[in-house]
Parts: sequence; structure tokens; C-alpha cells
Amino acid sequence: AQTVTQSQPEMSVQEAETVTLSCTYDTSESDYYLFWYKQPPSRQMILVIRQEAYKQQNATENRFSVNFQKAAKSFSLKISDSQLGDAAMYFCAYGGGSNYKLTFGKGTLLTVNP
Amino acid sequence: KAGVTQTPRYLIKTRGQQVTLSCSPISGHRSVSWYQQTPGQGLQFLFEYFSETQRNKGNFPGRFSGRQFSNSRSEMNVSTLELGDSALYLCASSFGSGLNYEQYFGPGTRLTVT
Repeated sequence: AQTVTQSQPEMSVQEAETVTLSCTYDTSESDYYLFWYKQPPSRQMILVIRQEAYKQQNATENRFSVNFQKAAKSFSLKISDSQLGDAAMYFCAYGGGSNYKLTFGKGTLLTVNP
Repeated sequence: KAGVTQTPRYLIKTRGQQVTLSCSPISGHRSVSWYQQTPGQGLQFLFEYFSETQRNKGNFPGRFSGRQFSNSRSEMNVSTLELGDSALYLCASSFGSGLNYEQYFGPGTRLTVT
């Protein structure tokens, strides 16, 4: 079974600084997707960034980028120029194989300090 | 266009009762997935429906069931409620079935079982 591990339950960063959230996963499949989702307090979960495993190039979305290390099964999220609005719970998720479900990590609570 | 809507937003039920939650996907989306979110277990996949057919089911007891209507609206039902069923139930919709389609999450239904 696939598992996703986020080893940092909580992280904090100063506004305008850079922070990296860690995620590792375990799978025997070769074709899969990895995702980072953001869940602000009492608000809807939204997709931050997505990576297809067959793509070697790391995905980027504005201030958000990933470091995808397929051999190491590592998928970290870097947030540059952190803003107060980035404060949220961040979930790493895996999706692969013939099913359509996402397997989520336990989440990392990110605090942004002014 | 309108996002994913879930009704009701909050619900309090007693052990042994049953409950039905509703999810209206984004217009044009044909896939609806359901997740249970608890502090202890995190986010866990319940099931996914596409074109009124259940495509995949998570590891939950048979008390958890769902269906999808021809207009893509989905309902999930939990019978014989247990205290452990207290959770935030999230639904997510996507245009197609498959992880290459972005999932858009609703605000969730907060179920409390007493």
C-alpha cells in the first residue's frame, strides 16, 4: 500500500523568507502523481502544485516549487517570499495506479510570522 | 462559476442514527470523490463516482455508502453512526475520472456524533 509521510507537524517562517516542507512516499508503481494541497483555517482545500512522476523537471507555480527526487521518493515544497496568506495546513498527496484515490500525508501546519 | 457545494455544513447526530450528506460538483464536472478528515487518521479516501458508477472505494465498512445522480450530484450515507464517525467529510469534483484531472474540494460537512 502507498504511504505518504510528512515528518514536520509544524513549521514557521518569517514573512518574505523561504521555507521548505518535506514529504516522502512509498510506492511500487512507476507511474503516479504527487500533489501539495493547502487548507487554510476553516477554508476549502486548494491545489498548490502537481508533479507527474514521468516528468524529470520540477514543477513550479509562481512562488511555489517542488524538489522531486524519484529515486529517493522525496517530494518537498519550497515557498519563496512567504506571505501571511500562506499560513495554512499543507498536505502532500500521492495518486497512482489504476485507482483514482489520493493518499494524503498527515499535514504540516505552516505559520507565517510578520 | 460556482464551486463545489456541500450540504449541510454542520450536523449533529446521535449514535445509531443514519445520516446523508450531499455534494454538488462544479458545473460540467462528472467525477465526485469523498474523503473523511479526522485529527487522528487524517484524510482518508472513501469512494469516487464517475457517471453514476462507483469507480473506487476506500477501506471503510459497509455502513458507508454513496451514490451519484445523473446530474453528477452525489450523496453519501452513513448508517448506524458511531462516535468515531465524527469528522469533516469533504467532497471533491473533477471534470474527468483520473488523477490527471484537478480535484476541486468543497468546504466540507462537519459531522458530530454524540
